[in-house]
Amino acid sequence: KAGVTQTPRYLIKTRGQQVTLSCSPISGHRSVSWYQQTPGQGLQFLFEYFSETQRNKGNFPGRFSGRQFSNSRSEMNVSTLELGDSALYLCASSLVFQGGTDTQYFGPGTRLTVL
Amino acid sequence: QKEVEQNSGPLSVPEGAIASLNCTYSDRVSQSFFWYRQYSGKSPELIMSIYSNGDKEDGRFTAQLNKASQYVSLLIRDSQPSDSATYLCAVNFSGQGGKLIFGQGTELSVKP
Repeated sequence: KAGVTQTPRYLIKTRGQQVTLSCSPISGHRSVSWYQQTPGQGLQFLFEYFSETQRNKGNFPGRFSGRQFSNSRSEMNVSTLELGDSALYLCASSLVFQGGTDTQYFGPGTRLTVL
Repeated sequence: QKEVEQNSGPLSVPEGAIASLNCTYSDRVSQSFFWYRQYSGKSPELIMSIYSNGDKEDGRFTAQLNKASQYVSLLIRDSQPSDSATYLCAVNFSGQGGKLIFGQGTELSVKP
Protein backbone atom coordinates (compact mmCIF):
# COMPACT_ATOMS: atom_id res chain seq x y z
CA LYS A 1 0.00 0.00 0.00
CA ALA A 2 1.23 3.47 -0.79
CA GLY A 3 1.86 5.67 2.21
CA VAL A 4 0.60 9.13 3.02
CA THR A 5 1.67 11.68 0.45
CA GLN A 6 1.98 15.42 0.90
CA THR A 7 2.54 18.15 -1.64
CA PRO A 8 4.45 20.30 -2.00
CA ARG A 9 7.43 19.15 0.04
CA TYR A 10 8.94 22.61 0.36
CA LEU A 11 7.47 26.09 0.16
CA ILE A 12 8.86 29.56 0.58
CA LYS A 13 6.39 32.37 1.05
CA THR A 14 6.47 35.96 2.29
CA ARG A 15 4.53 37.49 5.13
CA GLY A 16 0.91 38.26 4.31
CA GLN A 17 0.60 35.62 1.61
CA GLN A 18 -1.54 32.53 1.89
CA VAL A 19 -0.66 28.91 1.28
CA THR A 20 -2.49 25.65 0.58
CA LEU A 21 -1.02 22.27 1.47
CA SER A 22 -2.34 18.95 0.24
CA CYS A 23 -2.47 15.48 1.78
CA SER A 24 -3.50 12.14 0.29
CA PRO A 25 -4.14 9.47 2.93
CA ILE A 26 -3.39 5.78 2.80
CA SER A 27 -6.02 3.99 0.74
CA GLY A 28 -8.97 3.09 2.96
CA HIS A 29 -8.09 5.58 5.68
CA ARG A 30 -10.89 8.06 6.20
CA SER A 31 -9.41 10.18 8.99
CA VAL A 32 -6.82 12.84 8.26
CA SER A 33 -5.13 14.85 11.00
CA TRP A 34 -2.81 17.81 10.58
CA TYR A 35 0.03 18.81 12.88
CA GLN A 36 2.52 21.66 13.05
CA GLN A 37 6.06 20.92 14.22
CA THR A 38 8.46 23.63 15.34
CA PRO A 39 11.67 23.39 17.39
CA GLY A 40 10.16 25.42 20.22
CA GLN A 41 6.65 23.98 20.47
CA GLY A 42 7.17 20.47 19.20
CA LEU A 43 4.34 18.64 17.47
CA GLN A 44 1.00 20.36 17.91
CA PHE A 45 -2.38 19.21 16.67
CA LEU A 46 -4.12 21.49 14.20
CA PHE A 47 -7.31 19.67 13.24
CA GLU A 48 -8.79 16.36 12.14
CA TYR A 49 -11.17 15.58 9.34
CA PHE A 50 -13.37 12.53 8.96
CA SER A 51 -16.07 12.05 6.35
CA GLU A 52 -15.54 15.58 5.08
CA THR A 53 -16.27 17.03 8.54
CA GLN A 54 -13.91 18.61 11.01
CA ARG A 55 -14.07 16.29 14.00
CA ASN A 56 -11.60 18.03 16.27
CA LYS A 57 -9.65 21.26 16.35
CA GLY A 58 -6.51 22.41 18.15
CA ASN A 59 -5.68 25.80 19.60
CA PHE A 60 -4.68 27.66 16.48
CA PRO A 61 -6.04 30.96 15.12
CA GLY A 62 -8.70 31.07 12.46
CA ARG A 63 -6.04 31.76 9.83
CA PHE A 64 -5.52 28.02 9.83
CA SER A 65 -8.28 26.11 8.10
CA GLY A 66 -8.79 22.85 6.31
CA ARG A 67 -11.16 20.69 4.41
CA GLN A 68 -11.58 17.13 3.28
CA PHE A 69 -12.92 15.84 0.00
CA SER A 70 -15.12 12.84 -0.69
CA ASN A 71 -12.08 10.75 -1.61
CA SER A 72 -10.60 11.53 1.85
CA ARG A 73 -7.88 13.78 0.44
CA SER A 74 -7.40 16.83 2.59
CA GLU A 75 -6.08 20.33 2.23
CA MET A 76 -5.07 22.89 4.80
CA ASN A 77 -4.83 26.60 4.22
CA VAL A 78 -2.98 29.28 6.10
CA SER A 79 -3.93 32.85 5.31
CA THR A 80 -2.03 36.04 6.08
CA LEU A 81 1.20 34.22 6.79
CA GLU A 82 3.35 35.30 9.72
CA LEU A 83 7.02 34.59 10.36
CA GLY A 84 6.01 32.27 13.20
CA ASP A 85 4.15 30.03 10.77
CA SER A 86 7.46 28.69 9.50
CA ALA A 87 7.32 25.02 10.42
CA LEU A 88 7.06 21.46 9.24
CA TYR A 89 3.41 20.67 8.54
CA LEU A 90 2.59 17.02 8.91
CA CYS A 91 -0.43 15.12 7.80
CA ALA A 92 -1.37 11.75 9.29
CA SER A 93 -4.04 9.29 8.25
CA SER A 94 -5.75 6.52 10.15
CA LEU A 95 -8.66 4.21 10.28
CA VAL A 96 -11.13 5.51 12.80
CA PHE A 97 -13.29 4.12 15.53
CA GLN A 98 -15.93 5.86 17.55
CA GLY A 99 -14.55 8.41 19.96
CA GLY A 100 -10.91 7.81 19.27
CA THR A 101 -8.26 7.01 16.77
CA ASP A 102 -6.46 4.04 15.40
CA THR A 103 -2.77 4.28 14.67
CA GLN A 104 -1.85 7.40 12.73
CA TYR A 105 0.67 7.17 9.91
CA PHE A 106 2.51 10.31 8.94
CA GLY A 107 3.36 11.69 5.55
CA PRO A 108 6.78 13.19 4.74
CA GLY A 109 5.61 16.70 5.63
CA THR A 110 5.68 20.09 3.96
CA ARG A 111 8.46 22.41 5.06
CA LEU A 112 7.08 25.97 5.00
CA THR A 113 9.41 28.93 5.29
CA VAL A 114 7.91 32.39 5.70
CA LEU A 115 10.24 35.30 4.88
CA GLN B 1 0.95 21.71 33.20
CA LYS B 2 1.79 19.83 30.03
CA GLU B 3 -0.42 16.87 29.26
CA VAL B 4 2.34 14.57 28.03
CA GLU B 5 5.88 14.86 29.36
CA GLN B 6 9.15 13.27 28.36
CA ASN B 7 12.74 13.84 29.40
CA SER B 8 14.26 15.79 26.53
CA GLY B 9 17.64 14.13 26.92
CA PRO B 10 19.92 13.67 25.22
CA LEU B 11 20.10 10.09 26.39
CA SER B 12 23.36 8.44 25.48
CA VAL B 13 23.85 4.68 25.62
CA PRO B 14 26.62 2.42 24.28
CA GLU B 15 25.93 0.07 21.39
CA GLY B 16 24.35 -3.16 22.60
CA ALA B 17 22.90 -1.65 25.78
CA ILE B 18 19.26 -1.23 26.73
CA ALA B 19 17.82 2.24 26.19
CA SER B 20 14.90 3.20 28.43
CA LEU B 21 12.60 6.03 27.40
CA ASN B 22 9.90 7.33 29.69
CA CYS B 23 6.68 9.26 29.31
CA THR B 24 4.11 10.48 31.81
CA TYR B 25 0.69 11.91 31.05
CA SER B 26 -1.91 13.96 32.84
CA ASP B 27 -4.77 12.55 34.84
CA ARG B 28 -7.39 12.22 32.16
CA VAL B 29 -9.13 9.26 30.73
CA SER B 30 -6.73 7.99 28.14
CA GLN B 31 -7.30 5.49 25.46
CA SER B 32 -4.33 4.88 23.20
CA PHE B 33 -0.61 5.35 23.49
CA PHE B 34 1.94 5.49 20.72
CA TRP B 35 5.70 5.65 20.32
CA TYR B 36 7.14 7.26 17.21
CA ARG B 37 10.72 7.61 16.06
CA GLN B 38 11.84 10.68 14.16
CA TYR B 39 15.17 11.01 12.42
CA SER B 40 16.51 14.50 11.86
CA GLY B 41 14.76 16.12 8.90
CA LYS B 42 12.26 13.29 8.54
CA SER B 43 8.68 12.71 9.62
CA PRO B 44 7.67 10.53 12.60
CA GLU B 45 7.43 6.80 11.96
CA LEU B 46 5.44 4.48 14.17
CA ILE B 47 7.32 2.08 16.42
CA MET B 48 4.51 0.73 18.55
CA SER B 49 1.02 1.30 19.86
CA ILE B 50 -0.26 0.08 23.22
CA TYR B 51 -3.78 0.19 24.55
CA SER B 52 -3.90 -1.85 27.78
CA ASN B 53 -1.80 -2.19 30.91
CA GLY B 54 1.25 -4.38 30.72
CA ASP B 55 4.03 -5.06 28.27
CA LYS B 56 3.94 -5.33 24.51
CA GLU B 57 6.95 -6.62 22.64
CA ASP B 58 7.90 -6.21 18.99
CA GLY B 59 11.38 -7.34 18.08
CA ARG B 60 13.93 -5.31 20.05
CA PHE B 61 11.24 -2.93 21.29
CA THR B 62 9.05 -3.31 24.38
CA ALA B 63 6.37 -0.83 25.39
CA GLN B 64 5.14 -0.80 28.95
CA LEU B 65 1.93 0.85 30.10
CA ASN B 66 0.81 1.53 33.66
CA LYS B 67 -2.40 3.55 33.68
CA ALA B 68 -2.58 3.72 37.48
CA SER B 69 0.78 5.50 37.51
CA GLN B 70 0.04 7.39 34.26
CA TYR B 71 3.26 6.11 32.82
CA VAL B 72 4.28 4.60 29.51
CA SER B 73 7.80 3.56 28.59
CA LEU B 74 9.76 2.18 25.67
CA LEU B 75 12.70 -0.17 26.05
CA ILE B 76 15.11 -0.73 23.18
CA ARG B 77 17.24 -3.82 23.61
CA ASP B 78 20.59 -4.31 21.87
CA SER B 79 20.67 -0.64 20.89
CA GLN B 80 22.27 0.12 17.52
CA PRO B 81 23.74 3.37 16.19
CA SER B 82 20.86 3.39 13.70
CA ASP B 83 18.48 3.78 16.67
CA SER B 84 19.89 7.28 17.24
CA ALA B 85 16.88 9.54 16.76
CA THR B 86 14.24 11.47 18.68
CA TYR B 87 11.54 9.31 20.24
CA LEU B 88 8.10 10.81 20.58
CA CYS B 89 5.43 9.64 22.99
CA ALA B 90 1.84 10.38 21.92
CA VAL B 91 -1.42 9.96 23.78
CA ASN B 92 -4.97 9.91 22.49
CA PHE B 93 -7.27 10.96 25.30
CA SER B 94 -10.77 9.54 25.36
CA GLY B 95 -13.33 11.59 23.45
CA GLN B 96 -10.67 13.54 21.59
CA GLY B 97 -11.26 11.89 18.22
CA GLY B 98 -8.10 11.80 16.18
CA LYS B 99 -6.19 14.28 18.33
CA LEU B 100 -2.81 13.05 19.48
CA ILE B 101 -0.98 14.94 22.21
CA PHE B 102 2.77 14.60 21.85
CA GLY B 103 5.54 14.92 24.37
CA GLN B 104 8.54 17.06 23.50
CA GLY B 105 10.52 13.97 22.52
CA THR B 106 13.65 12.31 23.90
CA GLU B 107 16.82 12.46 21.84
CA LEU B 108 18.64 9.14 21.91
CA SER B 109 22.27 8.74 20.92
CA VAL B 110 23.75 5.25 20.60
CA LYS B 111 27.55 5.31 20.63
CA PRO B 112 29.49 2.61 18.73
